[in-house]
Amino acid sequence: GQQVQQSPASLVLQEGENAELQCNFSTSLNSMQWFYQRPGGSLVSLFYNPSGTKHSGRLTSTTVIKERRSSLHISSSQTTDSGTYLCALELSNAGAKLTFGGGTRLTVRP
Amino acid sequence: EAAVTQSPRNKVAVTGGKVTLSCNQTNNHNNMYWYRQDTGHGLRLIHYSYGAGSTEKGDIPDGYKASRPSQENFSLILELATPSQTSVYFCASGAYKDWRAFGPGTRLTVL
Repeated sequence: GQQVQQSPASLVLQEGENAELQCNFSTSLNSMQWFYQRPGGSLVSLFYNPSGTKHSGRLTSTTVIKERRSSLHISSSQTTDSGTYLCALELSNAGAKLTFGGGTRLTVRP
Repeated sequence: EAAVTQSPRNKVAVTGGKVTLSCNQTNNHNNMYWYRQDTGHGLRLIHYSYGAGSTEKGDIPDGYKASRPSQENFSLILELATPSQTSVYFCASGAYKDWRAFGPGTRLTVL
């Protein structure tokens, strides 16, 4: 089965609402990173967060190793937050390879 | 500023032709990666490298070769391009148990 799974696959919000994006993994990991991508755009690193909680503006990332999950919380969403959010993991059984989840496509409506 | 750059940014090639995609990083990372991104498949790893002179097969290496002549440069080579290789290609640099940085992408169309 898939080693990295993201949920939900897509999400539609009204501006101002909060969002919680999930990333679940099936094996232990060495590193964990969240990326943002606009359609046709490059991957912008949001967080490097292999464990614990990190904050950046309206974004919060929490990785709980024992529960094999990481979350990305977006507060007070804005239309400019629309795009795809990807989690990427360096799994302990995969050397230096980075494995991506399928992504969450977020649409924020005005 | 440390960065990952790719060239060309856009490329149109003919079936059977040779295509070389280039990547340069100034992050001083040991590891470099080539991914392709297609609708419905997400990001898939083609080749990666642990350092100058090394190349490793990723998850979908067939039809691609890679070359790492120096710490900073990593190339992806399509010896005989096919339409199925039409995609967006991303290069990345990184270190073991550390963060990765991605380049802006190269849009390749094989006619």
